[in-house]
Amino acid sequence: EVQLVESGGGLVKPGGSLRLSCVASGFTFSTYNLNWVRQAPGKGLEWVSSISSSSTYMYYADSVKGRFTISRDNAKNSLYLQMNSLGAEDTAVYYCARDWTHYMDAWGKGTTVTVAS
Amino acid sequence: SYVLTQPPSVSVAPGQAARITCGGNDIGSKSVHWYQQKPGQAPVLVVYDDSDRPSGIPERFSGSNSGNTATLTISRVEAGDEADYYCQVWDSSWDGSSDHPVFGGGTSLTVL
Repeated sequence: EVQLVESGGGLVKPGGSLRLSCVASGFTFSTYNLNWVRQAPGKGLEWVSSISSSSTYMYYADSVKGRFTISRDNAKNSLYLQMNSLGAEDTAVYYCARDWTHYMDAWGKGTTVTVAS
Repeated sequence: SYVLTQPPSVSVAPGQAARITCGGNDIGSKSVHWYQQKPGQAPVLVVYDDSDRPSGIPERFSGSNSGNTATLTISRVEAGDEADYYCQVWDSSWDGSSDHPVFGGGTSLTVL
């Protein structure tokens, strides 16, 4: 069974940092591109960042470019999102999602990030 | 950046068909994917590549895509279909410097 399990969310002050993790199981992790997608309270889905299977390509939404860094460790079946200079607008549930030919066929349950003083 | 437009809400009586649209410039030339999200849960893929269904998704879910509009149709709607639905396409830049998914704003389906 394909599983994606996010962790690392929590309450952080404005300007602070947080590192999210996503551990995968049930599939050959190193052969898939991966995404982070977030959802602010009461809002829709917003793509945040993508990384190719071998980390050759990394893309970011304009809203997080320069503040967030996506990475992965294929030996550990893990995806990461380093988030710096956090603001209230980054408050959201963050999902990791597996990419298969440009759609997301598996999602984690999400981890909640709250930015507040 | 490519924009997808969905109606905020759609209401339908049980047993009837629900149609949720997703508008975009020449969206018919792109592959459209649809996700269902129930309250407090992660999204679930229900239709991919315009009209294909993942295993485990009922045949009542179908999709079409032409011109400037893609449509998710849920036939014989059940109470359990009440959820938010999102369309998604892939937006590729001309130089490949920014390839990324784009989501519609979402449609809340209410079963009356």
